[in-house]
Amino acid sequence: QVQLAESGGGVVQPGRSLRLSCAASASTFSGYALHWVRQAPGKGLEWVAVVSYDGGNKYYADSVKGRFTISRDNSKNTLYLQMNSLRAEDTAVYYCARDATYSSTWYYYFYGMDVWGQGTTVTVSS
Amino acid sequence: EIVLTQSPATLSLSPGERATLSCRASQSVGNYLAWYQHKPGQAPRLLIYDVSYRATGIPARFSGSGSGTDFTLTISSLETEDFAVYYCQQRSDRLTYSFGQGTKLEIK
Repeated sequence: QVQLAESGGGVVQPGRSLRLSCAASASTFSGYALHWVRQAPGKGLEWVAVVSYDGGNKYYADSVKGRFTISRDNSKNTLYLQMNSLRAEDTAVYYCARDATYSSTWYYYFYGMDVWGQGTTVTVSS
Repeated sequence: EIVLTQSPATLSLSPGERATLSCRASQSVGNYLAWYQHKPGQAPRLLIYDVSYRATGIPARFSGSGSGTDFTLTISSLETEDFAVYYCQQRSDRLTYSFGQGTKLEIK
C-alpha cells in the first residue's frame, strides 16, 4: 500500500522561503508522476505543480510559476516543493498526490490522482 | 487556461435520493476528466477518471458521464457517507491541471 506523508509546513513571513517534503512508503513511488495540490482556508482545491516519474519534466500553475520549484529524489522516495517569495495568498493546506498514470504513459493518459497525503499547513503572515 | 465551472454550488438532498452534479469546461478536455470527493480534515478521494471509469474500491452508485465540455457525476442513491464536497478536475494537453470550484452536497 503506497502512502504519502507531507512535512515542512509552518508559519513564515511574507517574502521568505519554505521547503515542503512528501515521503512515500513504498518503492512504487518512482514509477509515477507526483503533484502538489493546495487548499486555501474556505476555498476549493488548487493544483500547484507536477513532476514526471523521472524528474525530467515539471509543470506549474501560473500562480506559482517562477516562485515555486517541484523536485523529487527517487532514491529517497521523497517529493519536494521549494517555495520562495511567499505571499499571504499562498496560505493553504498543501497536499502531495500520486498521478495514477504509470511511467511514460503519463504524457498520453490521465487516470486521476489516486493516492494523497493528509496535508501540511503553510501560513504566510507577518 | 481551461476553466471548469461546477453547478450547483450547493445541493441539498436526502439519503436515498439521486444526486446529479455538473461540470462544464471552457474548452474541450477530451477524456481528461476526473472527479473527487473531499471531506473536512481528510485527503481528497479519487472517484472517477477518464470521464466514466470508477477508481478502485468506489461503489457502483457513483457514475460519470459526458464528453467534450459537459460532464456529470451521478450518485444513484445517496448514503449518509456521501455528503461531502465534490470536485471535477481536468488535464490540458500542456500538462497543466485545474479543478472546478466544487459542489457541496449537504443533507436536506
